[in-house]
Amino acid sequence: GQQLNQSPQSMFIQEGEDVSMNCTSSSIFNTWLWYKQDPGEGPVLLIALYKAGELTSNGRLTAQFGTTRKDSFLNISASIPSDVGIYFCAGQKVPGYALNFGKGTSLLVTP
Amino acid sequence: DTAVSQTPKYLVTQMGNDKSIKCEQNLGHDTMYWYKQDSKKFLKIMFSYNNKELIINETVPNRFSPKSPDKAHLNLHINSLELGDSAVYFCASTLYGGPQETQYFGPGTRLLVL
Repeated sequence: GQQLNQSPQSMFIQEGEDVSMNCTSSSIFNTWLWYKQDPGEGPVLLIALYKAGELTSNGRLTAQFGTTRKDSFLNISASIPSDVGIYFCAGQKVPGYALNFGKGTSLLVTP
Repeated sequence: DTAVSQTPKYLVTQMGNDKSIKCEQNLGHDTMYWYKQDSKKFLKIMFSYNNKELIINETVPNRFSPKSPDKAHLNLHINSLELGDSAVYFCASTLYGGPQETQYFGPGTRLLVL
């Protein structure tokens, strides 16, 4: 499966700062998903995007599905220490099919 | 009330052994997956089953054999374990064709082959 290009690879920020990360692909995906993985746990879904151009929020998190269907970004506002973890983007081409994941963005938040 | 569960959480074994990992979901989903996460945290699909039928089989050594006894269970059997099999294995599930189809992941099985 195609690997997505996710950036940045890591971020080290102070509590209260805003965070932005993005994912790009050379091919079209019909669904974009953002997951967070805490140490020792499985990925947990944060936001799912199903339509090109869609902008969706979940608390302090906002994600958008690019109009070309080849990219997505995730913003976290006013970061807090519990935001620490690895954030993954994932694209799905066909319903029911496997997810193609980015390499992850490792986020560290200092109090 | 766990949604997707896996056993065991940790598995340490010797090279050459055969081992199994089990996955169960109580979400009423009909499609289940096995993903492998390597040491660099990259997640890659291995297998997918829909209604107990294999629908995805990526380039995985045939030492890995999935089995789905029913829609709620997907097990992974690994023969002749090798050092390179050390990784975290995640099970996931979804309802195929659902209005907003999303995959939910289990907590992972950390396999260490010595």
